[in-house]
Amino acid sequence: QVQVQQWGAGLLKPSETLSLTCAVYGESLRGDYWTWIRQPPGKGLEWIGEINQSGSTNQKPSLKSRVTISVDMSKNQFSLKLNSVTAADTAVYYCARGVSVVVPGVMGLDYYHYMDVWGKGTTVTVSS
Amino acid sequence: SSELTQDPAVSVALGQTVTITCQGDSLRRYFASWNQQKPGQAPILVIYGKNNRPSGIPDRFSGSTSGNTASLTITGAQAEDEADYYCNCRDTSGNQYLFGSGTKVTVL
Repeated sequence: QVQVQQWGAGLLKPSETLSLTCAVYGESLRGDYWTWIRQPPGKGLEWIGEINQSGSTNQKPSLKSRVTISVDMSKNQFSLKLNSVTAADTAVYYCARGVSVVVPGVMGLDYYHYMDVWGKGTTVTVSS
Repeated sequence: SSELTQDPAVSVALGQTVTITCQGDSLRRYFASWNQQKPGQAPILVIYGKNNRPSGIPDRFSGSTSGNTASLTITGAQAEDEADYYCNCRDTSGNQYLFGSGTKVTVL
């Protein structure tokens, strides 16, 4: 059974860099996409970005200039860095496994994309 | 498209059926998945693809898609189903995920 465990600093000052790491247990990072999502207090989920086994990344366009997602295959871990944080970056941050599969469908091939294994979340507060 | 639209809240009587919808152009190309989130907890996946449930998810949860609208139906809602439900799918470019704004389900 795949599990993810995440950790990182929970209190930052404005302009500092947020740094979180997620360890994957029960599966190699060599498959799937490894994803970061956040949730500001009282608000909905926001996708931040993802990385695959080859190190190819996608990020939410509005965050792309500040986001770095990396992978350490030797440790089976992936990481998020978000620089120049402000109070607006205060949120619970989750790591998750993103799955992309192709299955036969009625009209050809169907593409399934979903996030099925989530970390417990790390609360990050940005305050001076 | 860069949006998935959900109704903010819906209520259902215990044991009755409720359907939550999610609208967006991306749903014409990609299937939605649905995550349930209870207060103070991480989301869990309840439906993915055409209508698939991960292991451990009760069969009272089902999904469907028509045009640009995905739906999550809870048939015979239980008290433990009270939660926020988020749809998500790839955007039309396929390069990012979109989340709906979430629907709060209250079981009366």
